[in-house]
Amino acid sequence: QSALTQPASVSGSPGQSITISCTGTSSDVGGYNYVSWYQQHPGKAPKVMIYDVSNRPSGVSNRFSGSKSGNTASLTISGLQAEDGADYYCSSFTSSSTLVFGGGTKLTVL
Amino acid sequence: QVQLQESGPGLVKPSETLSLTCSVSGGSISSYYWTWIRQPPGKRLEWIGYISYSGSTNYNPSLKSRVTLSVDTSKNHFSLKLSSVTAADTAVYFCARGNGIQLWLDYWGQGTLVTVSS
Repeated sequence: QSALTQPASVSGSPGQSITISCTGTSSDVGGYNYVSWYQQHPGKAPKVMIYDVSNRPSGVSNRFSGSKSGNTASLTISGLQAEDGADYYCSSFTSSSTLVFGGGTKLTVL
Repeated sequence: QVQLQESGPGLVKPSETLSLTCSVSGGSISSYYWTWIRQPPGKRLEWIGYISYSGSTNYNPSLKSRVTLSVDTSKNHFSLKLSSVTAADTAVYFCARGNGIQLWLDYWGQGTLVTVSS
């Protein structure tokens, strides 16, 4: 299974909004509403921010939102804060009942 | 609060078998999809596979021939064995809880670095 495609890096200033894309195929992202997004700070375990395309787990800020169109899912972070600087990974359920991750995106808060 | 903790050797010799255990506390292992993920230094996350509470498994096709997952509900832990390791298997190994068949991972262990070297 091939990794989902994410931009290597994105950046934004405090208070701004940014969007990270995650492109797959009809066998994963496009075929199911089972896309999740994870935030990972250096040396730490990932933390789920969004699941099932657009659902936020309890305790996750409503500044984080998710959406999907066709084979591409997106994570939007509004009101950017310094602590949002981290690596972000998307993942998707696949037609083989497996899980595939994206290549990861490094978010820099300027 | 559910907590997961990986344990096992931090150094494995090439061609040998990597063995890790994930202990689950604060909740029963008798549900969910118990999952292993790894991350080579400086690289992306890679899904290894899951084992359900009932013992059904599913593996990453690229690792399937070398991976075995098992679960011990009496001890509330699950385990990973990866055979015939090479330097390419050097990574931080995470265990996590898969919530539902959608496999979104809601609780993670802190991760453990396993280095393959002679």
